[in-house]
Amino acid sequence: DIQMTQSPSSLSASVGDRVTITCRASQDISDYLNWYQQKPGKAPKLLIYDASSLETGVPSRFSGGGSGTDFTFTISSLQPEDFATYFCQQYEILPFTFGPGTKVDIK
Amino acid sequence: EIQLVESGGDLVTPGGSLRLSCAASGFTFNNAWMNWVRQAPGQGLEWVGRIKSKTAGGTTDYAAPVTGRFTMSRDDSENTLFLQMNSLKTEDTAVYYCATGAFDFWGQGVLVTVSS
Repeated sequence: DIQMTQSPSSLSASVGDRVTITCRASQDISDYLNWYQQKPGKAPKLLIYDASSLETGVPSRFSGGGSGTDFTFTISSLQPEDFATYFCQQYEILPFTFGPGTKVDIK
Repeated sequence: EIQLVESGGDLVTPGGSLRLSCAASGFTFNNAWMNWVRQAPGQGLEWVGRIKSKTAGGTTDYAAPVTGRFTMSRDDSENTLFLQMNSLKTEDTAVYYCATGAFDFWGQGVLVTVSS
């Protein structure tokens, strides 16, 4: 199975900060990577697909990049509603696998 | 509006069975590949399985921990996805989500608790 790692596991930031999360795959997954936001008690919400494509309706402050094994997810200016946990997921090879998540909370 | 609504979650004893349903609306369900994903309490996300559309063969794929115990099926006439879970273990305790093939739409999730 492809192992997905994320760093950091958590971070504290202020409104307006630029936040970057990294995700690494244990083998080449091309650009078959999703990024999700999940708030407590809610289902995950797809933000980025194909590593860098913004899902319809998602604010442009969210962006993704990378290919192969190394990926980044950036929030250009953190908003109050962005405090949540973020997950990456590969869908290149079954079984689809998720990163362990990065919790973004208020500094 | 696309909606996915899961039902069937319950408290079940180890070794028991449960069937989850996911009612879909707002899209052409019979063309859709569908997934189940679960999340144990306080933990991360785990893909459970996928079923292809009937036109793509209707075949299923499963994660190793559930292979041989869980079965996905679909009723395209009722726009409903199912997850039959047998020989349940305590480690199957989780919120179960159905999601579309591209993971762009998710249900609200349903809690399955396996405990004696």
